[in-house]
Amino acid sequence: GAVVSQHPSRVICKSGTSVKIECRSLDFQATTMFWYRQFPKQSLMLMATSNEGSKATYEQGVEKDKFLINHASLTLSTLTVTSAHPEDSSFYICSATPHVGGLSYEQYFGPGTRLTVT
Amino acid sequence: DAKTTQPPSMDCAEGRAANLPCNHSTISGNEYVYWYRQIHSQGPQYIIHGLKNNETNEMASLIITEDRKSSTLILPHATLRDTAVYYCIVRVAGSNSKLTFGKGITLSVRP
Repeated sequence: GAVVSQHPSRVICKSGTSVKIECRSLDFQATTMFWYRQFPKQSLMLMATSNEGSKATYEQGVEKDKFLINHASLTLSTLTVTSAHPEDSSFYICSATPHVGGLSYEQYFGPGTRLTVT
Repeated sequence: DAKTTQPPSMDCAEGRAANLPCNHSTISGNEYVYWYRQIHSQGPQYIIHGLKNNETNEMASLIITEDRKSSTLILPHATLRDTAVYYCIVRVAGSNSKLTFGKGITLSVRP
């Protein structure tokens, strides 16, 4: 149980184009989904928090107009990197929190999407 | 900033127990201790969490000191596949509650 998928797993795009990454909770409904970014040899950095049907909350320093997040259903969130540049090349990871009762609300992570902008 | 302190790395022999320490001296009463691990180029994997009691599941055991200022993750019989970066994170309950990742501890399991 508690499986999160991401698509695509790898993507290469040209500078100036936009890329959409999907995050799906496969066997549960996600109360909240999170998007992280991880540069080589660094830890995960939270980019934004999204709840179904409402606007995402972005962390300080993350441009909301560049990283568009849509959380249209309880099982799907998308991250669109607009006008991508080489410095946006990174490992993008989503996570989802199932509401199964109790208080702990553990997050389950997707396998990540490797974005390379040329 | 991360509210936990972990050594940067440790190693253990395959088949032996791996004891991963974590200090969280400023933990609040409503914060849980979570452990995740990340194998190279994969998303983090949830391992275990606890509030104040010791916890055990099929992957690991979590020992939390009585004052809750530190904890130890125990992998009872480490295998080569347990080689990963392990993150100790403190976090309040709630669906919107963030996970703040520090640098973690790199566990290397040697044959």
